[in-house]
Amino acid sequence: GAVVSQHPSWVICKSGTSVKIECRSLDFQATTMFWYRQFPKQSLMLMATSNEGSKATYEQGVEKDKFLINHASLTLSTLTVTSAHPEDSSFYICSARETGQGRSRKLFFGSGTQLSVL
Amino acid sequence: DAKTTQPPSMDCAEGRAANLPCNHSTISGNEYVYWYRQIHSQGPQYIIHGLKNNETNEMASLIITEDRKSSTLILPHATLRDTAVYYCIANSNSGNTPLVFGKGTRLSVIA
Repeated sequence: GAVVSQHPSWVICKSGTSVKIECRSLDFQATTMFWYRQFPKQSLMLMATSNEGSKATYEQGVEKDKFLINHASLTLSTLTVTSAHPEDSSFYICSARETGQGRSRKLFFGSGTQLSVL
Repeated sequence: DAKTTQPPSMDCAEGRAANLPCNHSTISGNEYVYWYRQIHSQGPQYIIHGLKNNETNEMASLIITEDRKSSTLILPHATLRDTAVYYCIANSNSGNTPLVFGKGTRLSVIA
């Protein structure tokens, strides 16, 4: 099946620094990718929709200047957490829908990135 | 996407079938029923999805009622590795439509 690769799996950084998370679709092209955030013991919350070649669409309450999304190619989207603070510590997950004909297409998820800001 | 309702938790004995229910009474005609699961500290894993007919794959079976207002995910022989949070999601499956996650059902498989 389709594979979405996310890197790094975990990162620890100091407050005020920026962290970049990569999401790659390995065997299919994805014009659209989605970024989620998950706090402990909670469900996944959609942060933004990443569109190849255009600006991302952010959910209400998500700061676009803090969470920079770049979708420069059909197989790569990046999320940069700028000037990270402890409250940004969370599990970040990307996903992409497989391309192709027909309506029955699955959404695949990366393995997630655990961000800890000290 | 239509709202789905799932029990917060369930237990299942190892080796027995796990039947996870989901209500989606407001599902529209073009929305599929998707099931994903999330094992601790991992990304969600696709299990199965369907529109009207029952579906089966190597992981599970999906039974959808005729009126499509509810469905059941069946893990025929649960193992300890099936312990996870299971999410039932109604989604129109268009290219730009993300999956919206509810709280899911926490399934505990007990030895």
